[in-house]
Amino acid sequence: DQQVKQNSPSLSVQEGRISILNCDYTNSMFDYFLWYKKYPAEGPTFLISISSIKDKNEDGRFTVFLNKSAKHLSLHIVPSQPGDSAVYFCAARDSGNTPLVFGKGTRLSVIA
Amino acid sequence: KAGVTQTPRYLIKTRGQQVTLSCSPISGHRSVSWYQQTPGQGLQFLFEYFSETQRNKGNFPGRFSGRQFSNSRSEMNVSTLELGDSALYLCASSRTPQETQYFGPGTRLLVL
Repeated sequence: DQQVKQNSPSLSVQEGRISILNCDYTNSMFDYFLWYKKYPAEGPTFLISISSIKDKNEDGRFTVFLNKSAKHLSLHIVPSQPGDSAVYFCAARDSGNTPLVFGKGTRLSVIA
Repeated sequence: KAGVTQTPRYLIKTRGQQVTLSCSPISGHRSVSWYQQTPGQGLQFLFEYFSETQRNKGNFPGRFSGRQFSNSRSEMNVSTLELGDSALYLCASSRTPQETQYFGPGTRLLVL
């Protein structure tokens, strides 16, 4: 049973445009969400997070939106740059003792 | 501040052998988690340690084990290796289990 789902395995976007990566979750107890970026042969790098008490968090070109009623979050990258080409993982956890749960990732390709 | 380090970075073993992977967390971080990444499967949670105690264990067979030392360094061991154990093994550390995890570069294990 996959609690965190990233339904798009891949996404291609032109340089300068907006990239939107989506993530759905099924566990209503999740209250903290994170996005990580992963380049080949490297470990994931933390990008941005959001708590369930907020519906938006922004950090430079990256914005995460959370829709609790739809159990959906999205990561917006504006403007997209070729260096953003990587695999993006969505992760979630609850406030209890359970570990972080990851989606399977979305491969973003930003085309110059 | 130095990041999470993992040794070795690459490893080739044969079926039936055992392997030990090491992780040194960021200084001051007392929580260490391990994940297995295989193509198309995202990051599968293996274990989580905090102050030398295992807090959580993922759905992996007993051949997978781990421990954490008093200096917060952690090791994981896989005994009786199988071909399916070929994967990237990632370690992540955080100050406490509820805080953001930061990943090391991973150990790529190939079982022949």
